[in-house]
Amino acid sequence: KQEVTQIPAALSVPEGENLVLNCSFTDSAIYNLQWFRQDPGKGLTSLLLIQSSQREQTSGRLNASLDKSSGRSTLYIAASQPGDSATYLCAVKDSNYQLIWGAGTKLIIKP
Amino acid sequence: DTAVSQTPKYLVTQMGNDKSIKCEQNLGHDTMYWYKQDSKKFLKIMFSYNNKELIINETVPNRFSPKSPDKAHLNLHINSLELGDSAVYFCASSHGGREYHGYTFGSGTRLTVV
Repeated sequence: KQEVTQIPAALSVPEGENLVLNCSFTDSAIYNLQWFRQDPGKGLTSLLLIQSSQREQTSGRLNASLDKSSGRSTLYIAASQPGDSATYLCAVKDSNYQLIWGAGTKLIIKP
Repeated sequence: DTAVSQTPKYLVTQMGNDKSIKCEQNLGHDTMYWYKQDSKKFLKIMFSYNNKELIINETVPNRFSPKSPDKAHLNLHINSLELGDSAVYFCASSHGGREYHGYTFGSGTRLTVV
């Protein structure tokens, strides 16, 4: 059974720092992995989608990597800003086309 | 030009009532989903519809019934609401069965049962 874990559960850093959020999954048989952002009381915004054949995807200050064989993905945020404060969720699409979620990392960027 | 839109955004109702949440997507996706996010922020799949056929039903009480009038809409009807139904409900869509596609989510409906 696929399980997705995100570490740390919460992270607080000063503005301007580069940071890394981690996501691990137990079954490497995935089609893709997606990183989302959720702001308090709001919906889910897709940030990056990495296919199983890809190693990384970039969008602006965000870079997501995928190492399928080791069951790991990282989300790198460069030059963090207070507006980056949110909960970051990763989800894998498993071999049954179902989306399996991590519990999220709550990120706080201090001005 | 919102991709996945849900209404209402907030819903407060009494126990025992029946309510519906609507969802529409304009992305041309063929599969739509309903997720429940509980107080601990875990997202749980409730239903998915592909070409008007229910393909997932994850032990959801039969008080919950998805209704899909067409490929672009998946509404969620809840009968006899209970306190434990209070949560945020998210609608999503994707190209189901296509491994390279991701999911697009609506902004959520916060349901409070009093």
